[in-house]
Amino acid sequence: KNQVEQSPQSLIILEGKNCTLQCNYTVSPFSNLRWYKQDTGRGPVSLTIMTFSENTKSNGRYTATLDADTKQSSLHITASQLSDSASYICVVSSPPKLIWGLGTSLAVNP
Amino acid sequence: DAGVIQSPRHEVTEMGQEVTLRCKPISGHDYLFWYRQTMMRGLELLIYFNNNVPIDDSGMPEDRFSAKMPNASFSTLKIQPSEPRDSAVYFCASSLMGPNNEKLFFGSGTQLSVL
Repeated sequence: KNQVEQSPQSLIILEGKNCTLQCNYTVSPFSNLRWYKQDTGRGPVSLTIMTFSENTKSNGRYTATLDADTKQSSLHITASQLSDSASYICVVSSPPKLIWGLGTSLAVNP
Repeated sequence: DAGVIQSPRHEVTEMGQEVTLRCKPISGHDYLFWYRQTMMRGLELLIYFNNNVPIDDSGMPEDRFSAKMPNASFSTLKIQPSEPRDSAVYFCASSLMGPNNEKLFFGSGTQLSVL
């Protein structure tokens, strides 16, 4: 069964600290992996898209990694800000479907 | 561009009533998606269109749900009759290319509460 599992389910960190969110997937076939950020009361916004051949991609303070062999991805947030408080959702493209994880809820406290 | 526009932002209705959700995709995007989000199940694809034609409606829960796209700039999702278990946030999204090749742009969603 195609699945995308994210951990932790929720996380609280202090402003300025770094954190890493995990995504494990059992999906076949695999086309690409995406991370979305969803602020409370808003729709998800794309952060990164990585194909099979890419093992890292950055978007500002966000850096995503992909290990296609172990079927794992991580999203690293550097020097967190209050505005990083959101849900982060991992999505795997398995044509013709997109397989969505349930997300990690991140709270950044002052 | 204003992005994907959804209306209403909030809808509260009573069981058995008809509910219509509306969406205006980003101009020029050929694909339009309707998703439902709940805490337990996350984001679930209900249906998507390509050039106004429904391509995959396998996620539509049952016959109470229907979706139309009469032109490239407007789509509706209708629930008739509504039930309490339909309470969720409904998102519309659009993209230039197919769902597996391009990122999706989401609207702000419609929070539906069926009492």
